[in-house]
Amino acid sequence: DAGVIQSPRHEVTEMGQEVTLRCKPISGHDYLFWYRQTMMRGLELLIYFNNNVPIDDSGMPEDRFSAKMPNASFSTLKIQPSEPRDSAVYFCASSLRTASYNEQFFGPGTRLTVL
Amino acid sequence: RKEVEQDPGPFNVPEGATVAFNCTYSNSASQSFFWYRQDCRKEPKLLMSVYSSGNEDGRFTAQLNRASQYISLLIRDSKLSDSATYLCVVNSNSGNTPLVFGKGTRLSVIA
Repeated sequence: DAGVIQSPRHEVTEMGQEVTLRCKPISGHDYLFWYRQTMMRGLELLIYFNNNVPIDDSGMPEDRFSAKMPNASFSTLKIQPSEPRDSAVYFCASSLRTASYNEQFFGPGTRLTVL
Repeated sequence: RKEVEQDPGPFNVPEGATVAFNCTYSNSASQSFFWYRQDCRKEPKLLMSVYSSGNEDGRFTAQLNRASQYISLLIRDSKLSDSATYLCVVNSNSGNTPLVFGKGTRLSVIA
């Protein structure tokens, strides 16, 4: 079975450019999470969806970040305009029926570098 | 106080050693507890859930102390393949609330 799929795996861009990260959750999972990981701050939850509806976006750093989930099999995280401090690994994860009690399955991550 | 705190390590131990990590959490209402493992440049993966009564999975034992709000992970007979970062994870409040990940404790098992 395919796990969580993320693309691209690596992205290098220049400050000010728009960046779009993509995620396909495990089929049948109804929760989707976007995380950002840095050495300084660890793994931070940015936003999560339940049945394609955003439930909590309090972790989104600022208005430059936006996320959508147009259907159960696809989500995007967009940064516009990007800044060097956005450089991090961005993970998408999905889980079944709960945000708390069941295993979260992570994708391989997108390593973003903003120059 | 941070929601989940761990000693970042690194813990450098020889093969065959027993090593233990602790983690403290700040929200007494938290109800779900996990240990995740993250290999270098890889995604986190669930290692084990942590139950109130404590639980064991092969060489790994997890304990929960609600009164002191800490979780522990014990690894016996360490293998080279146990080298990784171990993330302590709790939910942010009672009920179906998001998980909060600790920054992790890095373990290196040396031959």
